[in-house]
Amino acid sequence: DIQMTQSPSSLSASVGARVTITCRASQSIRNYLIWYQQKPGKAPKVLIFPPSSLQSGVPSRFSGSGSGTDFSLTISSLQPEDSAIYYCQQSSITSFTFGQGTKLEI
Amino acid sequence: QITLKESGPTLVKPTQTLTLTCTFSGFSLSTSGVAVGWIRQPPGKALEWLVLIHWNDDKHYSPSLKSRLTITKDTSKNQVVVTMTNMDPVDTATYYCARRPYDPSGSYFFDYWGQGTLVTVSS
Repeated sequence: DIQMTQSPSSLSASVGARVTITCRASQSIRNYLIWYQQKPGKAPKVLIFPPSSLQSGVPSRFSGSGSGTDFSLTISSLQPEDSAIYYCQQSSITSFTFGQGTKLEI
Repeated sequence: QITLKESGPTLVKPTQTLTLTCTFSGFSLSTSGVAVGWIRQPPGKALEWLVLIHWNDDKHYSPSLKSRLTITKDTSKNQVVVTMTNMDPVDTATYYCARRPYDPSGSYFFDYWGQGTLVTVSS
């Protein structure tokens, strides 16, 4: 299995700040990296899908980058509603794995 | 409008078999490239992908759970059914079904999710 490691595990930032969450794969996954946002008690919501495309309806302050083993999710100007847990997921091989999540507090 | 909804027991005993049904609307599982998957999340923990079934009946299983899982689809009923044998308390989790859309790049991601159903394994 490909292991996905996110960092940091949690972070706190202020409204308007720029934050970056990283995700590292244990082997190259080319650009097959997806980012989700999950709020308490809710199902995950896809934010970014390959190759760093923004899902319809997702604010443009969210962006993704990276290829190979190192990826990042950037939120350019934090809003209160961005408080959530963020997960990365790889789909390079048909054994899809998620990162352990990054809890973002505003 | 695309919706998915999971149904099944909320409580199962250890060693029992869990059967969950995903009933969906707004898309067809006979459309080329579309798939439906199951993902679970133990309380307070991360997401774990379990299994996926494609429009053409191809199936992909998590290697760690492959021996315990079976997935089937009923296209006429817009349903996907997953069974997991030999349930254990560590299998306590919210189980989600989700749609994988057709993606020209060949990636697998889930764009629509059910609300999830919490399954507790306890005697």
